[in-house]
Amino acid sequence: DTGVSQDPRHKITKRGQNVTFRCDPISEHNRLYWYRQTLGQGPEFLTYFQNEAQLEKSRLLSDRFSAERPKGSFSTLEIQRTEQGDSAMYLCASSPRDRGLSGELFFGEGSRLTVL
Amino acid sequence: QKEVEQNSGPLSVPEGAIASLNCTYSDRGSQSFFWYRQYSGKSPELIMSIYSNGDKEDGRFTAQLNKASQYVSLLIRDSQPSDSATYLCAVRPYGNNRLAFGKGNQVVVIP
Repeated sequence: DTGVSQDPRHKITKRGQNVTFRCDPISEHNRLYWYRQTLGQGPEFLTYFQNEAQLEKSRLLSDRFSAERPKGSFSTLEIQRTEQGDSAMYLCASSPRDRGLSGELFFGEGSRLTVL
Repeated sequence: QKEVEQNSGPLSVPEGAIASLNCTYSDRGSQSFFWYRQYSGKSPELIMSIYSNGDKEDGRFTAQLNKASQYVSLLIRDSQPSDSATYLCAVRPYGNNRLAFGKGNQVVVIP
């Protein structure tokens, strides 16, 4: 069990550029979540996958954000035309199905985005 | 109205004392409640879960749930400097798979 892995850990980009983050969940976990966290705030839900199906997406999520989990394993989160307000820590978490409703999310170390 | 509210400012407690954290939630149908700990620059880790009214103890941590008042609390007994962190309250709203998090409460344990 190597834990949830996220890449890159840090990304600095200029406003208007596209960025993509990757998340590799714990291998036997079928549920995968993306959250965003800014300084002094708790994690904010972005989207949720069960296997390859994207089952839930935040209403606050801009159309510039898209996430995929093509084979039910790793996931990518892409932000198009980045804005300074997108600067945040992007957290990925996974959960096994048998404990999915217990709430035990295993978080990765996050990908920190800075938009200049 | 926020789904999960943690309104207390930073909490400073002397080593060995009890730290008390509170959280309220808006969805009366919520069934699952959690406390996560987040060290500075690190990701959240689960420390307590509670599903029914009353107290649940795990080591130096006690979670308390009152569904009628829509209130969750966390007590940390015999606080240690290693407990210095931000504590996040999280709730699973009814019918959802996601967790809604509060903004967190920072705890500083003074040696």
